[in-house]
Amino acid sequence: AQSVTQLDSHVSVSEGTPVLLRCNYSSSYSPSLFWYVQHPNKGLQLLLKYTSAATLVKGINGFEAEFKKSETSFHLTKPSAHMSDAAEYFCVSTGGGNKLTFGTGTQLKVEL
Amino acid sequence: EAGVAQSPRYKIIEKRQSVAFWCNPISGHATLYWYQQILGQGPKLLIQFQNNGVVDDSQLPKDRFSAERLKGVDSTLKIQPAKLEDSAVYLCASSLVAGNTGELFFGEGSRLTVL
Repeated sequence: AQSVTQLDSHVSVSEGTPVLLRCNYSSSYSPSLFWYVQHPNKGLQLLLKYTSAATLVKGINGFEAEFKKSETSFHLTKPSAHMSDAAEYFCVSTGGGNKLTFGTGTQLKVEL
Repeated sequence: EAGVAQSPRYKIIEKRQSVAFWCNPISGHATLYWYQQILGQGPKLLIQFQNNGVVDDSQLPKDRFSAERLKGVDSTLKIQPAKLEDSAVYLCASSLVAGNTGELFFGEGSRLTVL
């Protein structure tokens, strides 16, 4: 069975500094991996997805993630944080049938 | 394009009462999902429909939860009787096709508080 582990429940950064949200996956086969973002009182929105094509995936709003099989990681990064990036971020995997397995989430706080 | 619509947005009930949530997916989306998101946790799949058939309901507590999608469009999730641990946000999502793309479109959720 596939699963994901988000290593930090809370991350705090200053506006304009880099963002790193960490995710490790566990799967017996190459998974499809995703990052979703959830702003307060809003629905979840897909940021980006990896489906065994290029290992560096670019998403919306300047976010990107790199699939590293040797480290079983799929960390989310952004070079420069903006106040509007403050939200909860979920790392997600799926092994088939479109059944998504969500991580526990990382709350990103962006300070002035 | 209209997104996934859910109602009500908020509901407060007492334990042992019943509650129903409604979801209207994006037009043309064949697959519909109900997720439960307990505070501090990631969403957990309750049930997945493909048109009006159930694809996966393995994590649906069938003694108290039920869901239907009779005409293959909108869907209703019911809880009867509710327990304190059912307090959560119930998320509805839809996708154009079933498959390994993971591109689901989510509604804003229905927040349930059970007292």
